[in-house]
Amino acid sequence: AQRVTQPEKLLSVFKGAPVELKCNYSYSGSPELFWYVQYSRQRLQLLLRHISRESIKGFTADLNKGETSFHLKKPFAQEEDSAMYYCALRYNFNKFYFGSGTKLNVKP
Amino acid sequence: EAGVAQSPRYKIIEKRQSVAFWCNPISGHATLYWYQQILGQGPKLLIQFQNNGVVDDSQLPKDRFSAERLKGVDSTLKIQPAKLEDSAVYLCASSSQGPGSSYEQYFGPGTRLTVT
Repeated sequence: AQRVTQPEKLLSVFKGAPVELKCNYSYSGSPELFWYVQYSRQRLQLLLRHISRESIKGFTADLNKGETSFHLKKPFAQEEDSAMYYCALRYNFNKFYFGSGTKLNVKP
Repeated sequence: EAGVAQSPRYKIIEKRQSVAFWCNPISGHATLYWYQQILGQGPKLLIQFQNNGVVDDSQLPKDRFSAERLKGVDSTLKIQPAKLEDSAVYLCASSSQGPGSSYEQYFGPGTRLTVT
């Protein structure tokens, strides 16, 4: 069965510090991973997907099939990065399984 | 383009009452999802439509939840009768399925349901 695990419910860092939000997945098929973000009082929205291998707002994420991980990283956190971050796995004809989320708090 | 619309935004009902939520997806999006998000958890897929057909409803509690997507556009999700554990935010999302689709889901603002 498919599963996504985000081990940290809350991550607090100071502005300018590096950030790594952890995501581990379990899936027998070929995985497709996404990071979604929800800023305060806004809708859940796509941040990035592993297939595009892009950097969005300074964030990157690399799919590591050996470690079944898709950690989200940013070298220098900004206060505006404070939000809820959800890792999601796409499987079986466009279904999605979301992790429980990590709240990132960037302190000034 | 206009985003996914949902109504109502908030609803408070007593247990055993009925409630319905409405979703209008982005125009042209063939796939529509309903998620349940309980406080402190990630969104959990309840049902997925492709046009007006159900693709997956394996996690929908069918004894009390029902959903339909008539004409492949708007959708309604109903709970009858509601239980205390149904208190959650109900999210609607849509995505396109055409060539070159990124499978990106576009989410609505959600409906926050409180069952007392």
